[in-house]
Amino acid sequence: RKEVEQDPGPFNVPEGATVAFNCTYSNSASQSFFWYRQDCRKEPKLLMSVYSSGNEDGRFTAQLNRASQYISLLIRDSKLSDSATYLCVVNKASNYQLIWGAGTKLIIKP
Amino acid sequence: DAGVTQSPTHLIKTRGQQVTLRCSPISGHKSVSWYQQVLGQGPQFIFQYYEKEERGRGNFPDRFSARQFPNYSSELNVNALLLGDSALYLCASSSPLNTEAFFGQGTRLTVV
Repeated sequence: RKEVEQDPGPFNVPEGATVAFNCTYSNSASQSFFWYRQDCRKEPKLLMSVYSSGNEDGRFTAQLNRASQYISLLIRDSKLSDSATYLCVVNKASNYQLIWGAGTKLIIKP
Repeated sequence: DAGVTQSPTHLIKTRGQQVTLRCSPISGHKSVSWYQQVLGQGPQFIFQYYEKEERGRGNFPDRFSARQFPNYSSELNVNALLLGDSALYLCASSSPLNTEAFFGQGTRLTVV
């Protein structure tokens, strides 16, 4: 089993729709969680950190479920510019390395 | 304030050659990490350095090595290049609390 797993997609979503991604992780001792966005042939950029209480940034909401060991990302009122690959990232508790999912590709259609 | 800078941006090498990639972290960041990203995959952790010492190492062969300098910049070296080493090599710097990683634009290495 991979340490961090994501549905690779692609998710084809009409503009204005709501879309949600889940990501599961295997290490119950993991402490930090992030969502990154990566555009084609570009470097990943931090979208948001994920806190135990859940957090929201505009159209984006991230949640953490420690009991079930998954994190989620919800995008409301999706825009064409949201088209990208969304990477789930978990901080490995035993050292400082970040463990990355393979990413979920999102395509927003007009 | 400059972000993370990497050089070169693109590189073509032949099998068996050696390559050195360079990274300058965000000013004030003392931690530098290196990742390899193959097309269609998430980044894979190679090394992390903090205050010039290796803090973590991923599952990569000994052909991969790195170091960090007193100014916190870093180099990644890969010896005896294989075709499978073709990838985007990403450098990330982190704040002292190591909660978030900020990436450079990457070096795209092609081994032919």
